[in-house]
Amino acid sequence: DAKTTQPTSMDCAEGRAANLPCNHSTISGNEYVYWYRQIHSQGPQYIIHGLKNNETNEMASLIITEDRKSSTLILPHATLRDTAVYYCIVRVGGNTDKLIFGTGTRLQVFP
Amino acid sequence: AAGVIQSPRHLIKEKRETATLKCYPIPRHDTVYWYQQGPGQDPQFLISFYEKMQSDKGSIPDRFSAQQFSDYHSELNMSSLELGDSALYFCASSSTHPQGTHEGYTFGSGTRLTVV
Repeated sequence: DAKTTQPTSMDCAEGRAANLPCNHSTISGNEYVYWYRQIHSQGPQYIIHGLKNNETNEMASLIITEDRKSSTLILPHATLRDTAVYYCIVRVGGNTDKLIFGTGTRLQVFP
Repeated sequence: AAGVIQSPRHLIKEKRETATLKCYPIPRHDTVYWYQQGPGQDPQFLISFYEKMQSDKGSIPDRFSAQQFSDYHSELNMSSLELGDSALYFCASSSTHPQGTHEGYTFGSGTRLTVV
């Protein structure tokens, strides 16, 4: 699996958009970009994933650059409950493949 | 909707004892994964099973073993426990025949093991 690089930490004001970047310059053509988050000591929670098109669901939007070497997770209106560690993971599509967690970004949402 | 169930939630053991952690996947999920997360660390993949056969292996110590049973639940057996085994242990499950766009890779709430 390709390696990803994320900032160690970020802050965001409540109600504002949180934009979390991820670099995955060695991504292969058949690898997807997945985002998970982990709220303190809870199990990681799936947020969104994509291959090359931008994706949106009820939780977030995923913007993938045209060359697929980087992506941005957008939480449109951050709340205090969005404070968590956010993991960007690159993985071949397929349902038996493990997830490899990198360091992640610790997002702190403040009032 | 049913989630991944792990038991027990908390477990305290002494050094050199054994521990068994259980994981009940989401119904109709056929793959189970185990992860270990030490204090202040990121989750580390240990082992996975697909259709009751080991499908992948990560940094799992030889003192640990795991299996998946006919009802798809899985157990992680840990022997000769060491202080360094104190961690959160997460189980996740997924399906090779997902419903909808998400592959259904879902984590349980974890078991916190403390070795004293």
